[in-house]
Amino acid sequence: DAGVIQSPRHEVTEMGQEVTLRCKPISGHNSLFWYRQTMMRGLELLIYFNNNVPIDDSGMPEDRFSAKMPNASFSTLKIQPSEPRDSAVYFCASRASGRTDQETQYFGPGTRLLVL
Amino acid sequence: GNSVTQMEGPVTLSEEAFLTINCTYTATGYPSLFWYVQYPGEGLQLLLKATKADDKGSNKGFEATYRKETTSFHLEKGSVQVSDSAVYFCALSDRDNQGGKLIFGQGTELSVKP
Repeated sequence: DAGVIQSPRHEVTEMGQEVTLRCKPISGHNSLFWYRQTMMRGLELLIYFNNNVPIDDSGMPEDRFSAKMPNASFSTLKIQPSEPRDSAVYFCASRASGRTDQETQYFGPGTRLLVL
Repeated sequence: GNSVTQMEGPVTLSEEAFLTINCTYTATGYPSLFWYVQYPGEGLQLLLKATKADDKGSNKGFEATYRKETTSFHLEKGSVQVSDSAVYFCALSDRDNQGGKLIFGQGTELSVKP
């Protein structure tokens, strides 16, 4: 199994530019999560999807952030326009929901974003 | 609401020392409990989990027991190695929310010196 795949692994951009982060969940998983990790705030859940439908986006910091999941094998997190305070590591995770013994989330390697 | 509290780090130990990282939780119902580990520059990996009271999760020499009476899930290892240096996250499953999102603690950094 390839695991959760994220791209790009590193992104350096200038303030004001649009940034798109991509995630491919593990095949057969039907829940997908986007997290942000910073030294100051730790690990924060931004949004999660069940069966491609956004369930809870209360962690999305502001309207500059948006996430989509057009199908079961792909999701994007977009920041437009980007700001230096968005610099962080962004993780995608997936899990197979529906059974209590399938609660484990599997994380991707993360995208390190630096906004100058 | 549901929450997880971990002991603050960083924790610095010598190789072969005994490790305990405390984790307590607040939850309604009967959540599953998890320990995740994050090695430098990598994503989080599941280390172990327990799904009901008195269950013991174990992996790679690490253990944690689901204690409902004390609402705790402390992580232990009898003899740590330099390669165990990482950040450890305690988490619980929030079954009140559709999809069962995980609630994470703030993480505890462990540094093991030779």
